[in-house]
Amino acid sequence: AQSVAQPEDQVNVAEGNPLTVKCTYSVSGNPYLFWYVQYPNRGLQFLLKYITGDNLVKGSYGFEAEFNKSQTSFHLKKPSALVSDSALYFCAVNVGALNFGKGTSLLVTP
Amino acid sequence: NAGVMQNPRHLVRRRGQEARLRCSPMKGHSHVYWYRQLPEEGLKFMVYLQKENIIDESGMPKERFSAEFPKEGPSILRIQQVVRGDSAAYFCASSPGLAGDGGYEQYFGPGTRLTVT
Repeated sequence: AQSVAQPEDQVNVAEGNPLTVKCTYSVSGNPYLFWYVQYPNRGLQFLLKYITGDNLVKGSYGFEAEFNKSQTSFHLKKPSALVSDSALYFCAVNVGALNFGKGTSLLVTP
Repeated sequence: NAGVMQNPRHLVRRRGQEARLRCSPMKGHSHVYWYRQLPEEGLKFMVYLQKENIIDESGMPKERFSAEFPKEGPSILRIQQVVRGDSAAYFCASSPGLAGDGGYEQYFGPGTRLTVT
């Protein structure tokens, strides 16, 4: 089955430090991978996607993600975290609909 | 360009009543998806529809739940005889192209929070 896994329930980082939110995938064939962010009591907002091409994908709000085929990973990164980045982050794989990971709560402290 | 719209935003129903959740996709989008998010959990796919067609309902409970996307008007997710376990946030998403093409991101509405008392 096509799936993604987010191994961390929560990630804590100090403002200004780099952040990484991890995602690994299990997909047959070429994966279509996505990152979404959810703020409290809101819907999901699209951040970025990997379809093909460059392994480093740049997205909204300064986020980027690196597709690593050998490690089957698609980690979300940002060079300098902001307090306003605190939210729930979901990795997903497109299997027709989206198959989501369980989410990682990111807390950025001042 | 308005985003995906869902209404109502909050819905309270007593056990045994019916719940109707509405979703209007983004302009130009003809593909609609419904997801359910239980407290402290991620989103689970329920159903994927195009205009007048159900494409994939593999995530939909076999009983009490139904969905439609008529030629005119919003997509409707209908839950009959609600039970407390149906309490959740229900999100609708839309995309401009065929989901199987893989490349289209989905745009999400704000969700409907259903509470069953």
